[in-house]
Amino acid sequence: SAVISQKPSRDICQRGTSLTIQCQVDSQVTMMFWYRQQPGQSLTLIATANQGSEATYESGFVIDKFPISRPNLTFSTLTVSNMSPEDSSIYLCSVNSGNTIYFGEGSWLTVV
Amino acid sequence: QKEVEQNSGPLSVPEGAIASLNCTYSDRGSQSFFWYRQYSGKSPELIMFIYSNGDKEDGRFTAQLNKASQYVSLLIRDSQPSDSATYLCAVNNGNDYKLSFGAGTTVTVRA
Repeated sequence: SAVISQKPSRDICQRGTSLTIQCQVDSQVTMMFWYRQQPGQSLTLIATANQGSEATYESGFVIDKFPISRPNLTFSTLTVSNMSPEDSSIYLCSVNSGNTIYFGEGSWLTVV
Repeated sequence: QKEVEQNSGPLSVPEGAIASLNCTYSDRGSQSFFWYRQYSGKSPELIMFIYSNGDKEDGRFTAQLNKASQYVSLLIRDSQPSDSATYLCAVNNGNDYKLSFGAGTTVTVRA
């Protein structure tokens, strides 16, 4: 299995600001994924972060709103830009390891 | 039609009973199937994954997959109060490890 650490674990953010979430994995992985879980909802994939290339975004998510970096095989960041209350969610980093998929502990953001 | 659908909850079972969770998926090309457990205020925790038709058992949990019927289930035997959580079914459509999730089924085990 993979050990995935996310920072921050929780934050309260002001409307209009941006926040960067970090994801660190204890082993090298090819693909890292960012998911969002809005209150009372299930998980939705935001994008796939590939090392050495631009992230691939799912329908409904754009780079200007959710810029992603992937500088190496163990680290990625997701920025939530120009936040509004609708961005209040859990943001989860995920990786594949040994043909299965694991999640970090999540970053719980509240936008006020 | 949603890609992944789970039986609506909440599901309440007495302690010691079997909890049965169902999940159907729309993409016939789906290849791998995952069950995650999510406690309130926590991130999803992998319980089991299954790739082949049939049953796969791990302790008190059994996953069942029927690709012809596009159906995957999770049985929890000898349910314990600690099993009270939301269970998420997730489906992977190919080799890219991207998951589509169902809405989840909340299980409550009554002591």
